[in-house]
Amino acid sequence: DADVTQTPRNRITKTGKRIMLECSQTKGHDRMYWYRQDPGLGLRLIYYSFDVKDINKGEISDGYSVSRQAQAKFSLSLESAIPNQTALYFCATSDSIDIYNEQFFGPGTRLTVL
Amino acid sequence: QQPVQSPQAVILREGEDAVINCSSSKALYSVHWYRQKHGEAPVFLMILLKGGEQKGHDKISASFNEKKQQSSLYLTASQLSYSGTYFCGTERTGTASKLTFGTGTRLQVTL
Repeated sequence: DADVTQTPRNRITKTGKRIMLECSQTKGHDRMYWYRQDPGLGLRLIYYSFDVKDINKGEISDGYSVSRQAQAKFSLSLESAIPNQTALYFCATSDSIDIYNEQFFGPGTRLTVL
Repeated sequence: QQPVQSPQAVILREGEDAVINCSSSKALYSVHWYRQKHGEAPVFLMILLKGGEQKGHDKISASFNEKKQQSSLYLTASQLSYSGTYFCGTERTGTASKLTFGTGTRLQVTL
C-alpha cells in the first residue's frame, strides 16, 4: 500500500465551486506539505504544517485554505475555484527527526477548473 | 525566489554523461534533488547538507558549493531510465525545512 495517498486522483469542476483535496499518510511523519505544479514553473509550495496545531502559508496561498485534521491527514480546499487553479497538486510528508528532511510525495491530484 | 536550474533541457544518447546545475542567490542549508517521470510523483535522488553530509543513491552523485550557493547533479553512463524532469529544491538557512523548487531540467536519454 502507498505510504502517501491523495484523493481524488482526477477532478473536473466548474468555476465557483468549492473543492477539497485530501491527503493521508501512514508514514507517521509530523510534517505535511501541499504543492502545485504547473508546466514550466516547477513545484510551488501552497501551505505546510509541522504538526496538527501548526499551519503556515507558502509561496502561493491566496485562494486556498487547509485543514490538518490529524497527524495523518492534511486537506487542501479551494473555496471558489477559478480556471487558473487548474494544475497538478501534490501532497508531501517529512519527519522532523530526519536531519535531511527528505520529502515523500503522494501520487498527485490533477484538477481542472472549467 | 526560486533557484535557477540549467540547462532547461538536454538530450543524451545512452551511455553519455550529463551535469545539471542549481543556483541560488540566498544562503542555503541544504539542496535536494528529485526526479519526476511523466505523470508520476517526484522521487528522491539526493540531499546535500551544508557542512558536507549527504544522502543519496549509489549511482547518483552531486556536489554542493556552499560559498557559491550552487549544486550540481552528475549523471554518468546514462540509461534510458534516467529520462525525466529533474528538480532541485533548496532549503534556506533559518527557514525551518521549507523547500523552494527550481523550474526543472528535462532530460531525455535516447538509444
